[in-house]
Amino acid sequence: QKEVEQDPGPLSVPEGAIVSLNCTYSNSAFQYFMWYRQYSRKGPELLMYTYSSGNKEDGRFTAQVDKSSKYISLFIRDSQPSDSATYLCAMSAVRGGADGLTFGKGTHLIIQP
Amino acid sequence: ETGVTQSPTHLIKTRGQQVTLRCSSQSGHNTVSWYQQALGQGPQFIFQYYREEENGRGNFPPRFSGLQFPNYSSELNVNALELDDSALYLCASSLEGGQGTDTQYFGPGTRLTVL
Repeated sequence: QKEVEQDPGPLSVPEGAIVSLNCTYSNSAFQYFMWYRQYSRKGPELLMYTYSSGNKEDGRFTAQVDKSSKYISLFIRDSQPSDSATYLCAMSAVRGGADGLTFGKGTHLIIQP
Repeated sequence: ETGVTQSPTHLIKTRGQQVTLRCSSQSGHNTVSWYQQALGQGPQFIFQYYREEENGRGNFPPRFSGLQFPNYSSELNVNALELDDSALYLCASSLEGGQGTDTQYFGPGTRLTVL
């Protein structure tokens, strides 16, 4: 079992839909949770950063962390074709990631115009 | 504010050769982490440098080594290249200590192909 599981997709939804992306993990030591967006042949771009359990909202994006279930989610409201990309969840046990960020495989998201 | 930059963009090497990849951290950042991303996979942590010392290391063999310079830029060196080393190599910078958020910001990557 991998430390972080993420459905690779592709996930295809119509423009304007609410998108739900998820990751599960097995290491209970993880405390810092991130979502990155990666366009083809580019580096990952940080979208959301959350410490411990709870919700965080930034514009059209909402990140949720449920440490009791070892489950994190990213919601995208009013999805746009420009949101089409691969979404990577990442997490670490140590502040600053000196233990390295552990990533999921990424979910390939396609927003249909 | 200058973001993370990496050079070169692309590189082709043959098996057994050595390669050096370079990274300039984002302005104001003092920590650099390196990751390897194979096609269709998430990035895998290689190591992190803070104050010119290796601060953490993932499950990579010793032929992967690095340096951090006083200006916080960094190099990743890979010796005795293998076909499986073909990947996108990502550098991420962050600010440790002080008031930094400690989150990692990635550069565009160097795509290495080993033939």
